[in-house]
Amino acid sequence: NAGVTQTPKFRILKIGQSMTLQCTQDMNHNYMYWYRQDPGMGLKLIYYSVGAGITDKGEVPNGYNVSRSTTEDFPLRLELAAPSQTSVYFCASSYRQQTGELFFGEGSRLTVL
Amino acid sequence: AQTVTQSQPEMSVQEAETVTLSCTYDTSESDYYLFWYKQPPSRQMILVIRQEAYKQQNATENRFSVNFQKAAKSFSLKISDSQLGDAAMYFCAYSLNSNYQLIWGAGTKLIIKP
Repeated sequence: NAGVTQTPKFRILKIGQSMTLQCTQDMNHNYMYWYRQDPGMGLKLIYYSVGAGITDKGEVPNGYNVSRSTTEDFPLRLELAAPSQTSVYFCASSYRQQTGELFFGEGSRLTVL
Repeated sequence: AQTVTQSQPEMSVQEAETVTLSCTYDTSESDYYLFWYKQPPSRQMILVIRQEAYKQQNATENRFSVNFQKAAKSFSLKISDSQLGDAAMYFCAYSLNSNYQLIWGAGTKLIIKP
């Protein structure tokens, strides 16, 4: 019963470095999402995907990229990390679009120094 | 702008008592869905309850129920017989039927006193 798995759980980056947050789900969900959660704020949608090969921008996509080569995987790439990207990142998936239940990963805490 | 407001940053309740968390939202759409999610200290977000805006009947899931007032754009969560395991951040959110974006409130931290 893995559900949605994110790695790494914690990471510290230096300004200008790049990294990829990995996300895998084993529920055969078509829809997948990346959110960021800043202190005292609700989640903000970064990118989403409605199926393999299809991705689109959410509310806060700048500084990030995604790909969806398979149904299971939806990695989030940070290029040229900036302190403003310090946040907790959540990957989620759903069977239907967002009228249905989202299943979340445990989150990845990223600090950019 | 589409927004969700949770006016209570923190609430506390005695174990076994009832607590109500407030949520108001702003949308001009008529077809949408409302959610309460729970985020325990482990960080993993879990769906607590879901309400379709076209349904007048308030959703209920065991000890969790909502008071949905569509005209007032209010969607409060009532937790009955509070348990220590209910301690968490609670987030209110809604999504329009027409897009993929959930709009989230800032959350309410619920503390359960033993």
